Amino acid sequence: DADVTQTPRNRITKTGKRIMLECSQTKGHDRMYWYRQDPGLGLRLIYYSFDVKDINKGEISDGYSVSRQAQAKFSLSLESAIPNQTALYFCATSDSWTHNTGELFFGEGSRLTVL
Amino acid sequence: EDQVTQSPEALRLQEGESSSLNCSYTVSGLRGLFWYRQDPGKGPEFLFTLYSAGEEKEKERLKATLTKKESFLHITAPKPEDSATYLCAVHNAGGTSYGKLTFGQGTILTVHP
Repeated sequence: DADVTQTPRNRITKTGKRIMLECSQTKGHDRMYWYRQDPGLGLRLIYYSFDVKDINKGEISDGYSVSRQAQAKFSLSLESAIPNQTALYFCATSDSWTHNTGELFFGEGSRLTVL
Repeated sequence: EDQVTQSPEALRLQEGESSSLNCSYTVSGLRGLFWYRQDPGKGPEFLFTLYSAGEEKEKERLKATLTKKESFLHITAPKPEDSATYLCAVHNAGGTSYGKLTFGQGTILTVHP
């Protein structure tokens, strides 16, 4: 089993629908991240959490919200999806040591299409 | 604001044809520069961390180097299995950027047999 698991892997939805992307990890890391990847734009940080009670906005948090249900679970929600949120979404984890070495552990991604 | 620019956007090589990928960066205080590899349909996978100008890291056919303004990923005698997207990222040492990596847009490398 993967250390960082994202569900769903693929989702097609309509404008205005609420969508939740889920991430769970078995690495025992305290830090979790949600990134968005678009062609030509690279990975951009949406939200990050350094522990269960710590949630921080990244560079593109508008239109998104997150929930850190437990150390191992970090969910990303789109309250009212719009077409320009069509992208590949990645969850990642680290601990304080790997964070400083730049080693994030990524899930396999959730491809979201908003029609 | 931290910025990372990678070039070229795409690179096609013949097997055995050595080349380099470039990562230019602007950051107020560099804590580290990182290289990742991403295969199609997969999440990025960590390769190297470089902390200061002059530092070099090697792994198989890959060698990463760092100056005060850019990093190079040198690929020596590449094989088709080296085909992937290579991502560069920087970690700011402090200020409002603390705690996050800033990624470049990536270079898509294709190695033909």
